[in-house]
Amino acid sequence: SAVISQKPSRDICQRGTSLTIQCQVDSQVTMMFWYRQQPGQSLTLIATANQGSEATYESGFVIDKFPISRPNLTFSTLTVSNMSPEDSSIYLCSVGDRDVSSGANVLTFGAGSRLTVL
Amino acid sequence: DQQVKQNSPSLSVQEGRISILNCDYTNSMFDYFLWYKKYPAEGPTFLISISSIKDKNEDGRFTVFLNKSAKHLSLHIVPSQPGDSAVYFCAASATAGNMLTFGGGTRLMVKP
Repeated sequence: SAVISQKPSRDICQRGTSLTIQCQVDSQVTMMFWYRQQPGQSLTLIATANQGSEATYESGFVIDKFPISRPNLTFSTLTVSNMSPEDSSIYLCSVGDRDVSSGANVLTFGAGSRLTVL
Repeated sequence: DQQVKQNSPSLSVQEGRISILNCDYTNSMFDYFLWYKKYPAEGPTFLISISSIKDKNEDGRFTVFLNKSAKHLSLHIVPSQPGDSAVYFCAASATAGNMLTFGGGTRLMVKP
């Protein structure tokens, strides 16, 4: 499976600022996915990052708040803009692959970026 | 509306015994089900999956059972080891290419 590197691993940010999270994959992938895990909650898909086109955002997430770049097949960035304490979460980058035993789409995740907004 | 639910936020088990983690879903279109394990400060890692055409899939100490009529799946870990202590997420998708919907997670603690 792919190896995913994310940075920063954690950061403490001031309200109103923006932070960009980087995701690097060790192989070329068509789609990369950005998830959020708020404290004590499940993983929620923010958007799918497609190379050469705009990202596809899930309901409740907008490009102005979470702009995404995908300049090539191994790299993507997610920016959390104009942060508030409610944006304090773990942000995770992932890529998909097929599980040969079941046919399921299996996601491989990076270690995550833990953001705390004061 | 939570389509995938893990009703037990935590579970404590003695080392060597069986751990049973449960998951319920509401969307009858789900065809693929997965379990992930997450340690602190790490991303979730894939454990095991099952498609709806099966009712059981086994991989070493891990077995997933699927009951489609009850819209319920479970993960059995036998024997449990202290290194299994982590948060376990179940996830589901409607087709093989669709994105995953995750449950809220169950924190498993295996005591020596």
